Amino acid sequence: NAGVTQTPKFRILKIGQSMTLQCTQDMNHNYMYWYRQDPGMGLKLIYYSVGAGITDKGEVPNGYNVSRSTTEDFPLRLELAAPSQTSVYFCASSRTGAHTGELFFGEGSRLTVL
Amino acid sequence: AQSVTQPDIHITVSEGASLELRCNYSYGATPYLFWYVQSPGQGLQLLLKYFSGDTLVQGNKGFEAEFKRSQSSFNLRKPSVHWSDAAEYFCAVGVDGSSNTGKLIFGQGTTLQVKP
Repeated sequence: NAGVTQTPKFRILKIGQSMTLQCTQDMNHNYMYWYRQDPGMGLKLIYYSVGAGITDKGEVPNGYNVSRSTTEDFPLRLELAAPSQTSVYFCASSRTGAHTGELFFGEGSRLTVL
Repeated sequence: AQSVTQPDIHITVSEGASLELRCNYSYGATPYLFWYVQSPGQGLQLLLKYFSGDTLVQGNKGFEAEFKRSQSSFNLRKPSVHWSDAAEYFCAVGVDGSSNTGKLIFGQGTTLQVKP
């Protein structure tokens, strides 16, 4: 059972570069989320989607973009990387929505911007 | 504004000892409450959740949590800790939004270290 798969697991970027973090899930969940985790700060919601073609901003969307062309995939795009985007990024999905149901997380993508 | 506070950043207990991790929330309506656990290098996994009914909920691996409305708390407990319980624990509150766009608000996390 694959669940939620994120790639890459590790990446180092230079300031100003761009990249896409990939996320795919095989559970046919409508709800998908991107979080970033910083030490001592818990998880902060970047973007979320309630279904294909629908996305919305979370708490910390600046510097990021998302798309949701299929139910399975929810890539996160970083434009013009900055050191403040050094973090661990988690993709998650849910059948009924994060506020009432279980969130299934990927293993995370550790990004360093130098 | 909705928020979750975990007062203890780091806790160390001896194997076999009891454990209580504290969680306080701020939310105007009846909360949906969760505890998630994160092992090193892994994503988070659901440990238990409270929606309504019995205020004492049982979860995976012998954990339980008690919802106390008067104290706005949802503390996690385990009677006897095992070395494999060493991990980071996150409390979260589910917040309703429009058109079922609810989200989770996470606390800062508590790192549990278990001494042999």
